[in-house]
Parts: sequence; structure tokens; C-alpha cells
Amino acid sequence: NAGVTQTPKFQVLKTGQSMTLQCAQDMNHEYMSWYRQDPGMGLRLIHYSVGAGITDQGEVPNGYNVSRSTTEDFPLRLLSAAPSQTSVYFCASSPGGTNEKLFFGSGTQLSVL
Amino acid sequence: QKEVEQDPGPLSVPEGAIVSLNCTYSNSAFQYFMWYRQYSRKGPELLMYTYSSGNKEDGRFTAQVDKSSKYISLFIRDSQPSDSATYLCAMKLGGGSNYKLTFGKGTLLTVNP
Repeated sequence: NAGVTQTPKFQVLKTGQSMTLQCAQDMNHEYMSWYRQDPGMGLRLIHYSVGAGITDQGEVPNGYNVSRSTTEDFPLRLLSAAPSQTSVYFCASSPGGTNEKLFFGSGTQLSVL
Repeated sequence: QKEVEQDPGPLSVPEGAIVSLNCTYSNSAFQYFMWYRQYSRKGPELLMYTYSSGNKEDGRFTAQVDKSSKYISLFIRDSQPSDSATYLCAMKLGGGSNYKLTFGKGTLLTVNP
């Protein structure tokens, strides 16, 4: 059982470049979300999805886009990378309903130069 | 004032010590309280989950919630070197299927053999 899989594990971008962070889960979870983790800031919610075709903004959505065309996949797109987006990104999923447990991926460490 | 305050530490203790980790919060609408453990370069994993005031015990771990004081704690008895990690408190609002969590910044714990 793979759980939540994130790729790539590491990425270096130049300012202005775009890229997509991939997230896939094989647990048939309804809910998926993206967090960023910065030193001294904790985990902050970027975007989330409550099911295929449904997405919404979290606490820090600017500069990021998401889509959810299937239950399994929830990619995060950086439209024009900025140094302020240097962070560790975590994808998480949850069964939904009354089950609040979040399952996290192992993270993507992104550096924007 | 941040919604959730957590002392980032670092906290260093000898093996076998009792560890106390704490968070305070300002939003009285938080109803559900969680502790996540995060090993270095890994995603967080759920350790404890509670929705009521009082204590909840799971092996060497005890989660304590005091809603009147807006204060939650995690106690680790007979701490082991394998407990060395960052511990994140997390909270969510009550009602519905809102699964968006508000995290503390995390406390880095080192248990020395």
C-alpha cells in the first residue's frame, strides 16, 4: 500500500519558471490538500479538494493552482516561481466524513533561485 | 495573536524522562485536537486525536485537553531515542466535514540515550 506519493522529492527552479508538483493517493480518499512548511511558520494550507472536480483555496493560495480531475491525483502548479515559494510542500489526503485523520506524503523540497 | 501557539523548543531530554509538550489556542470554536509526529525529512503522522476535555491515553502517550484554559498537552512517558522528532499540535473547528487543520509551529524534541 503506497499511501500518498509525491514527486519529485527535490526541485530547484529559477525565478519565473513554472512547474507541477505531483501527488497521488491509492486509498480512495475523498479529501486531498496541499500544505507548505516553512521554518518558524508551521504547516499552512494552500489549496484543498473535497472530491473530484471540486477545489477551494486555503490560507496561502496566491501563486498556486490546483485541479482534481480524478480521485487519485491532485497536482499543484506553480505558475511563475518566486523565491518566496521556497519551501517544503506536503500533500495530504483524508477519508472524509467523520474521519479527520490526514495521511501525509513525504514532501517535496523546492528551492527557487 | 496567532490562533495556535506552540513553543518551538528545541527540547532535549535524557532517555526515560517524562516529556511535556504544550499548545495554547485563542479560538474557542476549535473542537478537535490532534498531535502529529514528524521525523526529519518525512511527512507528519497522526499520533493522538481527541475532541473532548480530559485525558486520552495510548501506550506511553497521553493527550490532555483543557478547553476552559484553551490549552492542550502531550505527555510522553519513559521517552526513547526513537521519540526524537518534531511534534505538531493541530486543531480544527467543530461541525460539518471541515477538515482544514490549523497547526502549531512544532516542537523539536531530542531524546538522548
